[in-house]
Amino acid sequence: NAGVTQTPKFQVLKTGQSMTLQCAQDMNHNSMYWYRQDPGMGLRLIYYSASEGTTDKGEVPNGYNVSRLNKREFSLRLESAAPSQTSVYFCASSGTSGRWYEQFFGPGTRLTVL
Amino acid sequence: EDQVTQSPEALRLQEGESSSLNCSYTVSGLRGLFWYRQDPGKGPEFLFTLYSAGEEKEKERLKATLTKKESFLHITAPKPEDSATYLCAVQGSQGGSEKLVFGKGTKLTVNP
Repeated sequence: NAGVTQTPKFQVLKTGQSMTLQCAQDMNHNSMYWYRQDPGMGLRLIYYSASEGTTDKGEVPNGYNVSRLNKREFSLRLESAAPSQTSVYFCASSGTSGRWYEQFFGPGTRLTVL
Repeated sequence: EDQVTQSPEALRLQEGESSSLNCSYTVSGLRGLFWYRQDPGKGPEFLFTLYSAGEEKEKERLKATLTKKESFLHITAPKPEDSATYLCAVQGSQGGSEKLVFGKGTKLTVNP
C-alpha cells in the first residue's frame, strides 16, 4: 500500500496563477483533509471531507476550493495564488474501522508563490 | 475553542539523557489526543492515540501519558535517530467534528 500520495512535490507559481494539488489514498478511508503548515503556526486545517460527496471548511479556507472526486481522491485548488499562500500543504485521511480517528499524512507539497 | 500548547519549543539532549515533552490542552469533550513525529521535509507520522485520563502507551523509547489537562511524551535514553519535531493534537466531540487541532510542536535534537 502506498498510503497517502500527493502531487506535485514542489511547485512555484506567480501571483494570480491557478493550480490544483492532487491527493489520493489507498486505505479505503472515508475522511480526507487538507492542511497547511507554516513556520511558527503549526498545522492548520483548510478543508475536510467526512465522506464522498461532502466537504466542509476548516480554520483557514479563504482562497481555496476543494473537490472530493471519489472515495480515493481529494483535490485542493488555488484559483488566484497569492504570496500568503506560500506554504507546505499536507493531505491526510482517516478511516472508520478500529483506528477511527487517527489521521495518516502524505509527504506534502511545497508551494512558493512569487 | 479547542487549544493545544506544547513546551518547550525546542529541546537539546545528549544521547542517553532522558526527558519529557509537554502538551497542555483545552477541549470540549476529548475524543482523543494524538502524538505525531515529523522529520524535516516529510509528513507527520502517527505515534500514539490516548483516549482517557490515566492511559499510557509505549513504543520503543517513547511513552505517552494523559491527564485531564495535559499529556507527556517521555523519551528514555534517546538516540540521535529520535531527533525530530514531535506534534500533539486533540480531537473534541463538539459538533461531531472530526477535526484535529494541532500544537506548534517541540523540536527535539539528540546529540551523539
